[in-house]
Amino acid sequence: QKEVEQDPGPLSVPEGAIVSLNCTYSNSAFQYFMWYRQYSRKGPELLMYTYSSGNKEDGRFTAQVDKSSKYISLFIRDSQPSDSATYLCAMCTGTASKLTFGTGTRLQVTL
Amino acid sequence: GAVVSQHPSWVICKSGTSVKIECRSLDFQATTMFWYRQFPKQSLMLMATSNEGSKATYEQGVEKDKFLINHASLTLSTLTVTSAHPEDSSFYICSARVSIPDRKWSYTFGSGTRLTVV
Repeated sequence: QKEVEQDPGPLSVPEGAIVSLNCTYSNSAFQYFMWYRQYSRKGPELLMYTYSSGNKEDGRFTAQVDKSSKYISLFIRDSQPSDSATYLCAMCTGTASKLTFGTGTRLQVTL
Repeated sequence: GAVVSQHPSWVICKSGTSVKIECRSLDFQATTMFWYRQFPKQSLMLMATSNEGSKATYEQGVEKDKFLINHASLTLSTLTVTSAHPEDSSFYICSARVSIPDRKWSYTFGSGTRLTVV
């Protein structure tokens, strides 16, 4: 079993839709949770960063962490074609210095 | 914000030659940097962790003699793919750990290098 599971997609939605991206994990020591967006042939770009359980909102993006269920989500409201990319969840423990990534979900927002 | 500059963005080399990829932190000091490899439509695979002034720590299965990592300064880490072969063709990405408020940290990535070995 992988430490972090993420549905690879692809996920196709119409413009304006609400998108829900999810990851589950098995290591209860993970404390820091991140979502990255990666366009084709580019490096990942940090979208959201959360520490422990709860919600965090930034513009059209909301990150949610449920440590009791070992489940994290990223919601994108009013999705745009420019949101078409691969979204990677990543997490690490409070003391370790390396990230553990999900496999990434490819999102396609159509006009 | 913290920016990591990675060069070159793409490189084609002949089999048997060596290629060096540079990763620079532009506006902060990066004591710890990471090197990843990514195959098409797959996630990032950590290759090694480099700490300024010390030897890199390689992940299991990564050949340290083939992928030479040097982190001689707080702003520069390099990855040299030695005696490259076509199976080394991949997308290589560096990352730096950045301290943020409240004694936490985040990770910022370079733009990646696409290596093609012919």
